[in-house]
Amino acid sequence: DIQMTQSPSSLSASIGDSVIITCQASQDISSFLSWYQQRPGKAPNLLIYDATTLQTGVPSRFRGSGSGTHFTFTISSLQPEDVATYYCQQYDSLPYSLGQGTKLEIK
Amino acid sequence: EVRLVESGGGLVQPGGSLRLSCATSGFTFRHYAMNWVRQAPGKGLEWVSSMSGGGGRSYYAASVKGRFTISRDNSNNMVFLQMNSLRAEDTAVYYCAKVRYGDYPPWDYWGQGTVVSVSS
Repeated sequence: DIQMTQSPSSLSASIGDSVIITCQASQDISSFLSWYQQRPGKAPNLLIYDATTLQTGVPSRFRGSGSGTHFTFTISSLQPEDVATYYCQQYDSLPYSLGQGTKLEIK
Repeated sequence: EVRLVESGGGLVQPGGSLRLSCATSGFTFRHYAMNWVRQAPGKGLEWVSSMSGGGGRSYYAASVKGRFTISRDNSNNMVFLQMNSLRAEDTAVYYCAKVRYGDYPPWDYWGQGTVVSVSS
């Protein structure tokens, strides 16, 4: 099974800051990686798929990069509504696995 | 508008059974694989099961294989999760999720979730 390791597990940043979350896969997953946002008490929301493609309707301040085993998720110019937990997910092979999540708070 | 609405959650004793349902609308249901994903209290997301659009292929996480069964009714645009031999560790919010395209993730639409509590 492929293990997904996210870091950090939590972070605090100020409005307008740039935020970077990393996701490491235990083996090569090519670009079969997505990022989800889960606001408190809500269902997850797809932000990025195929490592770099922005889902329709998602603001351009969200960006994904990487391939193989190392991936990065960036929020540029942090907004109050970005308070959430973010998950990476691999879909290269079953079982589909997700990272443990990164909880983002506003300072 | 795509909609997914789960139902069937509740409180059940260890060893008991529950059947979750997910009613969908707003897309051509038979063209898309459907998944169940769960989230234990205060924990992260865990993929549970997937079924192909035509219903011919199904997959399970090791933690539920042999106890849970996914099925779908393409005439009524619904997907189900039959959960048997429930354990305390199955306590979670269960979400149904639609794939963005074809049979594989990512999941572009999710329901609001239904709560399953396994306790004596």
